[in-house]
Formats: sequence, structure tokens, C-alpha cells
Amino acid sequence: KAGVTQTPRYLIKTRGQQVTLSCSPISGHRSVSWYQQTPGQGLQFLFEYFSETQRNKGNFPGRFSGRQFSNSRSEMNVSTLELGDSALYLCASRPAQGGFLEQFFGPGTRLTVL
Amino acid sequence: GQQLNQSPQSMFIQEGEDVSMNCTSSSIFNTWLWYKQEPGEGPVLLIALYKAGELTSNGRLTAQFGITRKDSFLNISASIPSDVGIYFCAGQLQLIGGGTSYGKLTFGQGTILTVHP
Repeated sequence: KAGVTQTPRYLIKTRGQQVTLSCSPISGHRSVSWYQQTPGQGLQFLFEYFSETQRNKGNFPGRFSGRQFSNSRSEMNVSTLELGDSALYLCASRPAQGGFLEQFFGPGTRLTVL
Repeated sequence: GQQLNQSPQSMFIQEGEDVSMNCTSSSIFNTWLWYKQEPGEGPVLLIALYKAGELTSNGRLTAQFGITRKDSFLNISASIPSDVGIYFCAGQLQLIGGGTSYGKLTFGQGTILTVHP
């Protein structure tokens, strides 16, 4: 089975711009979660989607949004970028059935905001 | 944001030595996961624990889910150079809604492991 894929792997943007990141989960996995990883804050939960609905949300401002499509692929959007948004953005997928909670991560998208 | 207290923050060991790291939380979890992350990659799942008191092994790795559900530890026996990386614990409280389970992972700060040949 192919793993979680994320595109693009690297991205450079300037302050004020917006960005969209993409995640394709493992085939058959219906839940997708997003995390932000920074040296200062570590790994922080952004949100989780299942069946195209946001099921859970972390403590991030409304500039961070996401969506999930009918094929379980997910996108994450950050508007009005700030320098502090520079981070590794990780996507994780899991089956979301039968209490199975093991999440599998993709390689991440490294976002640099200048 | 909330994080687990993971220790030690870093370890420098000789090849062949055993390693032990742990995580504690003020909140209870019903799932503990241990991940390893290497440079430029996402975290890779090593071990998953689902029941308080559970002890699980995966090769040279052994992890336990604490009885209080607020802690977990990971041991690596006979370390080798490829064990180098950052090890994260993660706790999750399972929630049920709409016929499915969901929950967010709360991560520890990570333990940076360096193994000298």
C-alpha cells in the first residue's frame, strides 16, 4: 500500500500571501488530520476530517482552514501568512473505524514564509 | 498548546547500550503511541498501546501503557546507529461520535537520540 502523500514538499511564500497544501491518505483510510511542527512549539494538532466533515479542531486562528473531498483527499489552507507560520505541516491518516486510532504520517510540507 | 512531558530531551549513548525514555501527562489517555522521526521525514509509528498496563514489543523496542493512563515509557535494547532520530510519545483520548471514533494526538516534546558507533 502506498503511504500518505503530501504535495508540495517545499514551499516559499511571503507575508500576506495564502497557501494551499494537499494530502492524499492511505488507500481505504477515511480520516485525515493535520499537524504543525515547529522547533518552539513541537507538534500541534490543527484539525481532523472524516467524511468531508471537520470532527475536531485545535487551537489555531481562523486563518487556518481545511477541507476533505469525497475521495478522502484533504487540503489545508492558510490565509494572510505570517512569519510564524513557517513550519513543517504534517498530514496523518487512519481508517477511523472500529476504534482504530493509529495515525500514519506523510513526509510533510516544509513552508517557509519570508 | 497542551503537551506531554517527555524526558529526557536528548541522549548520547554508545552502540549496544539500552535506552529508556518516558512521557507523563496531567490528563488521562486511552491510547499511547510512540513515533520516530528522521530529518526531512514525517513521524513513523513504532508502537501503539491501547490498554492500561499493556506491555508491547516490536523487535528491540518495548513500550508500556501506565496503569494510571497518564504515562508511558519506551525502551530500546542494544542500540544501533540507525536508531538515531527523534522519538515522540503521543497520547490520544478516543471520542465517539456519528458512529466513528476520532481524537487528536497530543505530542511530547521529543527525545533526540544520538548513537555513537
